[in-house]
Amino acid sequence: SQQGEEDPQALSIQEGENATMNCSYKTSINNLQWYRQNSGRGLVHLILIRSNEREKHSGRLRVTLDTSKKSSSLLITASRAADTASYFCATDGKGSNYKLTFGKGTLLTVNP
Amino acid sequence: DGGITQSPKYLFRKEGQNVTLSCEQNLNHDAMYWYRQDPGQGLRLIYYSQIVNDFQKGDIAEGYSVSREKKESFPLTVTSAQKNPTAFYLCASSIYGVYNEQFFGPGTRLTVL
Repeated sequence: SQQGEEDPQALSIQEGENATMNCSYKTSINNLQWYRQNSGRGLVHLILIRSNEREKHSGRLRVTLDTSKKSSSLLITASRAADTASYFCATDGKGSNYKLTFGKGTLLTVNP
Repeated sequence: DGGITQSPKYLFRKEGQNVTLSCEQNLNHDAMYWYRQDPGQGLRLIYYSQIVNDFQKGDIAEGYSVSREKKESFPLTVTSAQKNPTAFYLCASSIYGVYNEQFFGPGTRLTVL
């Protein structure tokens, strides 16, 4: 079952612009994670935000979490062509035995 | 270098054949996972193992089998019972417990001819 759903499905921006992706989920969570996948490759972990945190930063990444709305957003600032990839949110639901459930992803294209 | 490896990168199978995908990790992680990814889709969990000699079915286990005889290894067999096996298969590992960042291998692309 898909717990997280990303929005939009695809996003195209120019280099230097900011990119925002959203994730909604359905049940209570222990944490929410964001991953990146370059075409045809494995996923790479970007950031984890705990259920009791509201915002977290890592370099050019900013993640927010609103547990009352069951939603999260990933902001990439000053985007680069190398940021072109698919971005997935994954939730560790309470009672899930620490399994992650992934959304379908947002395909981000950064045009040079 | 610590990491997780998968082999082969590409695999072709005739209908009716079983094939085994390899996954090895040297991160000393207790938990390992197998996911299937179809074009434009997210990851769906096939099987996972939290400790040696134990594993559980994920959301789409039918037609697949696994073993976990060693901590480092978690091979996946795609059997002839899997009706639509063409997909990208990803293996991952993590420490067991909450705040469990998963580390992924590079994937195996399986094509049934």
